[in-house]
Amino acid sequence: DAGITQSPRHKVTETGTPVTLRCHQTENHRYMYWYRQDPGHGLRLIHYSYGVKDTDKGEVSDGYSVSRSKTEDFLLTLESATSSQTSVYFCAISETGTGGQSSYNEQFFGPGTRLTVL
Amino acid sequence: KNQVEQSPQSLIILEGKNCTLQCNYTVSPFSNLRWYKQDTGRGPVSLTIMTFSENTKSNGRYTATLDADTKQSSLHITASQLSDSASYICVVNPGGYNKLIFGAGTRLAVHP
Repeated sequence: DAGITQSPRHKVTETGTPVTLRCHQTENHRYMYWYRQDPGHGLRLIHYSYGVKDTDKGEVSDGYSVSRSKTEDFLLTLESATSSQTSVYFCAISETGTGGQSSYNEQFFGPGTRLTVL
Repeated sequence: KNQVEQSPQSLIILEGKNCTLQCNYTVSPFSNLRWYKQDTGRGPVSLTIMTFSENTKSNGRYTATLDADTKQSSLHITASQLSDSASYICVVNPGGYNKLIFGAGTRLAVHP
């Protein structure tokens, strides 16, 4: 999985509790992404980072926050988990963004974290 | 609305047979189109990537085609193997900043 690890791989939690998922890369790629994957839907972007302490929202960012204090780590936090956030979460990395002349560059995905909110 | 639709949703074929998966998109503008393979319990892995000027691209037994005029792509798998059992995801990059559009995928099962 291109030097990307996610932790935990599985988590069950209760509604209203805070949850933090971690993505760690050893590729020194500048860009990191958090996606969620739900049955019947394509992967949807939650947040992404284009450098240390530089982050931006994706299409489904409500209820999620992120932080990136080091190049290699990107954290996704659910401040107060809800049942609608039950999903599989994937981290991805890329050397550059997907726009302009860099649009050909590939995103590499981690193994995923399965989160269940009861 | 930018959308990527894939068909069929699921497919069962016998080992050794060929199959073709379809992808229709309504994404504009268009920069490139990617096909990913996702094994159960794993993250997606890239198979091919094509710009609007590329009609065909192969990766071993996988051949992707692109018709930018009709906004259609297909992924053809030749001489299927049991290890081809996976979900195949079509992804369109409109060239905007980090806004890939993912299809829901086709789940392929190859039976012996």
